[in-house]
Amino acid sequence: AQTVTQSQPEMSVQEAETVTLSCTYDTSESDYYLFWYKQPPSRQMILVIRQEAYKQQNATENRFSVNFQKAAKSFSLKISDSQLGDAAMYFCASANTGNQFYFGTGTSLTVIP
Amino acid sequence: GAVVSQHPSRVICKSGTSVKIECRSLDFQATTMFWYRQFPKQSLMLMATSNEGSKATYEQGVEKDKFLINHASLTLSTLTVTSAHPEDSSFYICSANVAGMNTEAFFGQGTRLTVV
Repeated sequence: AQTVTQSQPEMSVQEAETVTLSCTYDTSESDYYLFWYKQPPSRQMILVIRQEAYKQQNATENRFSVNFQKAAKSFSLKISDSQLGDAAMYFCASANTGNQFYFGTGTSLTVIP
Repeated sequence: GAVVSQHPSRVICKSGTSVKIECRSLDFQATTMFWYRQFPKQSLMLMATSNEGSKATYEQGVEKDKFLINHASLTLSTLTVTSAHPEDSSFYICSANVAGMNTEAFFGQGTRLTVV
């Protein structure tokens, strides 16, 4: 079984500033993957960043980076130089090797101009 | 990236009727597709795993006789909500992964179901 917890229902950030979204997870899988997805008002799920659990190096994707602490089962997302287009619902997710995703409850991010 | 298309994007049906939602992988073959349900302002909950050519695997608490899943080809999975009830009103999203590429899931744009 896998559970994902996002403790921040809402976050806000000033444009051009940095914000960190928190996520913790629990899994009995030995091999798993972690993700951050963005869901704008259109409801389309957009992959932000992905991390293989067996990799120690934190994933980065342009302005997006993660802080993966495997022992603590923590997987936070840092958004640097926040832009208005970053405003959305952000979901943390874990997936097993069978591609079944388990999502957190989401964090609504507001970017203040 | 790979494209997954859902149809319809919105549907309204009367209580007691059935409604079918299609999930298609447009430019790749998907041996496995997944169906999720999302209530307003809540997370996506995995309902079932749809396997091409075999029976779907349902998550605990999901009624398989109510949510019929068919995955007859490598590019199409369908979810049929039978005897729809207002409680079934929700946002349904499918995802698919490219065969041979584990954990590279692509999501459809979702279907908003309203049962009146």
